[in-house]
Amino acid sequence: GAVVSQHPSRVICKSGTSVKIECRSLDFQATTMFWYRQFPKQSLMLMATSNEGSKATYEQGVEKDKFLINHASLTLSTLTVTSAHPEDSSFYICSARDQAEYYGYTFGSGTRLTVV
Amino acid sequence: AQSVSQHNHHVILSEAASLELGCNYSYGGTVNLFWYVQYPGQHLQLLLKYFSGDPLVKGIKGFEAEFIKSKFSFNLRKPSVQWSDTAEYFCAVNIDTGRRALTFGSGTRLQVQP
Repeated sequence: GAVVSQHPSRVICKSGTSVKIECRSLDFQATTMFWYRQFPKQSLMLMATSNEGSKATYEQGVEKDKFLINHASLTLSTLTVTSAHPEDSSFYICSARDQAEYYGYTFGSGTRLTVV
Repeated sequence: AQSVSQHNHHVILSEAASLELGCNYSYGGTVNLFWYVQYPGQHLQLLLKYFSGDPLVKGIKGFEAEFIKSKFSFNLRKPSVQWSDTAEYFCAVNIDTGRRALTFGSGTRLQVQP
């Protein structure tokens, strides 16, 4: 079946530094990828929709200059958390839509970001 | 915008008990409905989905869900739970454009005691 690989699974960084998270669709092409943020014991909140070859669409309240999304190819989208602060600590999850299965959404295993 | 409500935040059951998790959505048009499971330390996995047709949908691991349009509900059921069903369960909705992301409910933590 469709697999999405997300790396790293865990990262600890210092305040003020930037962190890049990668999301790859391994066996399918994903023109659209989604980035979510999950707080402890809460649901997944959509941050942005990433479209291959174009600018990402951010949800209201999400700072596009802080959460940089690049979707340069049909199999790779990256989320860069710039100038990270402790309040950015969270669980970030990517999802890719498999065109072959029109409504198929496959999720990565998530990245636990801790900013100290 | 659509929203999804899961009223059961934490459910504790004994093995072999029956399970029903509630899910209600707010959107008047055509929707696609999903249930996902997240086992501890693992990624979200699709249990089942509804697009159209038979409102009773059967998924993996013995789960099923029934779409009741008049009630805007898509409740998840399993006749007999196992300890291995301990996980977080998320209901999700996508409106029928095929392009938009899923909107998730707040999740239900199921704890099955042996």
